[in-house]
Amino acid sequence: GAVVSQHPSWVICKSGTSVKIECRSLDFQATTMFWYRQFPKQSLMLMATSNEGSKATYEQGVEKDKFLINHASLTLSTLTVTSAHPEDSSFYICSARAFAGGIGELFFGEGSRLTVL
Amino acid sequence: RKEVEQDPGPFNVPEGATVAFNCTYSNSASQSFFWYRQDCRKEPKLLMSVYSSGNEDGRFTAQLNRASQYISLLIRDSKLSDSATYLCVVTYTGNQFYFGTGTSLTVIP
Repeated sequence: GAVVSQHPSWVICKSGTSVKIECRSLDFQATTMFWYRQFPKQSLMLMATSNEGSKATYEQGVEKDKFLINHASLTLSTLTVTSAHPEDSSFYICSARAFAGGIGELFFGEGSRLTVL
Repeated sequence: RKEVEQDPGPFNVPEGATVAFNCTYSNSASQSFFWYRQDCRKEPKLLMSVYSSGNEDGRFTAQLNRASQYISLLIRDSKLSDSATYLCVVTYTGNQFYFGTGTSLTVIP
């Protein structure tokens, strides 16, 4: 089945630094990928929709200058958390839609746990 | 009103019990419906798609009621390994996915 890979799985950084997270679709092309954030014991929150070759669409309340998204190819989207602060510590997950049998199943990356000290 | 609503639980059931979750959605134009399972500190994984006629996969049965705009998930003969958070996902046209908050299930020995 379709696979989405995310890297790194864990990252710890100092406050003020930037962190880049990669999301790859391994065996299918994804013109659209999605980025989510999940705080402990809370639901997934969509941050932005990443579109290949164009600007990402951000959800209300998500700072586009802080969470930079680049979707340079059909198999890779990156999320960069710029000038990270402790409140940015969270579980970041990407997903992409793969069509199988007419139903567009959403496949998720393994997630990236960010801890900002 | 939220696009998708779920009872967050938690549901604590004994091993072997039958448990059911419901999920309501607000947009009658919703096209596809899924149940995902998320284990603690892991990414969500597809449990099953929900078809109009209802579908079953082993101990799991999913049903869709378009008239009342809800989907359900029934788990029979609960196992300890069923303990997880179950997410309801509804899609509209294009790439609009909406997630429920998830329902937490703990199966107790």
